[in-house]
Amino acid sequence: NAGVTQTPKFRILKIGQSMTLQCTQDMNHNYMYWYRQDPGMGLKLIYYSVGAGITDKGEVPNGYNVSRSTTEDFPLRLELAAPSQTSVYFCASGSRSQETQYFGPGTRLLVL
Amino acid sequence: GEDVEQSLFLSVREGDSSVINCTYTDSSSTYLYWYKQEPGAGLQLLTYIFSNMDMKQDQRLTVLLNKKDKHLSLRIADTQTGDSAIYFCAESPDSGGYQKVTFGTGTKLQVIP
Repeated sequence: NAGVTQTPKFRILKIGQSMTLQCTQDMNHNYMYWYRQDPGMGLKLIYYSVGAGITDKGEVPNGYNVSRSTTEDFPLRLELAAPSQTSVYFCASGSRSQETQYFGPGTRLLVL
Repeated sequence: GEDVEQSLFLSVREGDSSVINCTYTDSSSTYLYWYKQEPGAGLQLLTYIFSNMDMKQDQRLTVLLNKKDKHLSLRIADTQTGDSAIYFCAESPDSGGYQKVTFGTGTKLQVIP
């Protein structure tokens, strides 16, 4: 199993550009999550999904959108990139039978 | 809302014990976690403890929970340079596999050779 994979690893965007951060898991987990990690701030939940076709907002959803058309994939969309979205983004997945979420390696995004 | 607090930085000498502390506010926390993040990587679960336990030991790791004071600590015995990382405390009202997990700010552990 590859676990949770994220692409790209690193991206530089100009203000106002858009992009999609990809996340895929091969563990057949129903639950998937997007977090952002800012220095000294821990992880903040952006969006989460409890299954294909179902998504919900986390603590910091503004400026982002998600979709969940399959169990495996949970892409995160930035429509109009802003400098405040400079961060490291982590995708995670989990299930009811597990004590923890499994994290991907992260995508580092720089908006200039 | 829930809050989890940690100090930002800890420096120890190789071979010494490290103690990383955490406080949380949510009295309904059931699972309390310690995650490790190495540079450029995602978070990996180190260990966790249920709220009805006081202590859990796993090889070099000892977790202590004071539920009355809402205080959690992680002790790493015989700290090695490979233990240098950021350690996150986290809590969840139920199994974190499907529940909202609240993370602390992370404590960066620096191990001096």
